[in-house]
Amino acid sequence: KAGVTQTPRYLIKTRGQQVTLSCSPISGHRSVSWYQQTPGQGLQFLFEYFSETQRNKGNFPGRFSGRQFSNSRSEMNVSTLELGDSALYLCASTLTTQETQYFGPGTRLLVL
Amino acid sequence: DQQVKQNSPSLSVQEGRISILNCDYTNSMFDYFLWYKKYPAEGPTFLISISSIKDKNEDGRFTVFLNKSAKHLSLHIVPSQPGDSAVYFCAASGNGGSQGNLIFGKGTKLSVKP
Repeated sequence: KAGVTQTPRYLIKTRGQQVTLSCSPISGHRSVSWYQQTPGQGLQFLFEYFSETQRNKGNFPGRFSGRQFSNSRSEMNVSTLELGDSALYLCASTLTTQETQYFGPGTRLLVL
Repeated sequence: DQQVKQNSPSLSVQEGRISILNCDYTNSMFDYFLWYKKYPAEGPTFLISISSIKDKNEDGRFTVFLNKSAKHLSLHIVPSQPGDSAVYFCAASGNGGSQGNLIFGKGTKLSVKP
């Protein structure tokens, strides 16, 4: 079974731009969560989606948004990029919300 | 305010010895705890978990201990192997087992020397 895939793997943007990251969960998984990893803050929860509905949201500004499609694929969008948004963005999927999360390899975003 | 703390950024251990990674938490509502291992350029990989109703869970060379009164958990790796060298993250959940929004520590980098 294929694992969680994230595209693109690497991305360079400039301040003020916006970016969309994509996550394809493991086949059959309906729950997708997003995390931001930075050296100073570790992994921080962004959002959780289940069956196209956002179940939980972390403490991030409104510039960070996400959505989930009917095939469980998810996207996250960051508008008006700031230098501090440079990070590894990780997506994780589970069959249901009660089960262990499986992480993708992440998208490394660099904002210049 | 950090709810899950891993106070040791790094740990170096000799191959064959025991590795002990520690994690403290502040939120008494957390009821499920997990350890993840992360290699560079890869996403975190689930290692072992423990429910708050238990104080120990074992899986092969990995054992997690939970001390609820001290709000402390630890991961023991015995014996340590060079392939165990990675960053280890402690994570907690307070949603009755729901793992969609885990609170992670900042990680401990384990180096196992041959």
